Amino acid sequence: GENVEQHPSTLSVQEGDSAVIKCTYSDSASNYFPWYKQELGKRPQLIIDIRSNVGEKKDQRIAVTLNKTAKHFSLHITETQPEDSAVYFCAVAGGTSYGKLTFGQGTILTVHP
Amino acid sequence: GAGVSQSPSNKVTEKGKDVELRCDPISGHTALYWYRQSLGQGLEFLIYFQGNSAPDKSGLPSDRFSAERTGGSVSTLTIQRTQQEDSAVYLCASNKGQGNYGYTFGSGTRLTVV
Repeated sequence: GENVEQHPSTLSVQEGDSAVIKCTYSDSASNYFPWYKQELGKRPQLIIDIRSNVGEKKDQRIAVTLNKTAKHFSLHITETQPEDSAVYFCAVAGGTSYGKLTFGQGTILTVHP
Repeated sequence: GAGVSQSPSNKVTEKGKDVELRCDPISGHTALYWYRQSLGQGLEFLIYFQGNSAPDKSGLPSDRFSAERTGGSVSTLTIQRTQQEDSAVYLCASNKGQGNYGYTFGSGTRLTVV
């Protein structure tokens, strides 16, 4: 089945800096790559997603880039703010896994004021 | 309904007892998923229902875990003879299936086995 690796496991930045989280996956047929933000005690919330026919997608301070050849995708957060502090999960779907999401292990992002 | 509804929100049970967790998906969503999240960990896939197809049970950790989905809507996850390692948050999600990936998660059930 699909295998998703996420790095780093923790990331600490100063307010205003950029943060980058990277995920690699194993199934070259996968075609959907979402990112979720989970605040303490809350449900995961979708913040951005990308499909395999697109290389980059931006939404205000958040962007996701996809390299299908290398089988990795990254989340980029610019001008970070303290409220960006949370756990971020990448996920992969499609291919042999069809509809189910396989999640990375998560990155704890801390933005210091 | 407006969102994915899970009940109970919290459940404390004694080791060895059986528990049932309920998920009510968004109306019209044909696909339903159960995930487990242990403290400080990622989301572990358990089981996936898509319409009338046989469920994908590949993530169920042992035969103490089972799930059903009645009438293509509400789903119940049952854990028999609970163990302390079953303590986790159990999350349900639904979407329209057939490649429509707009997953919506419920708030989860926090299960504590004492």
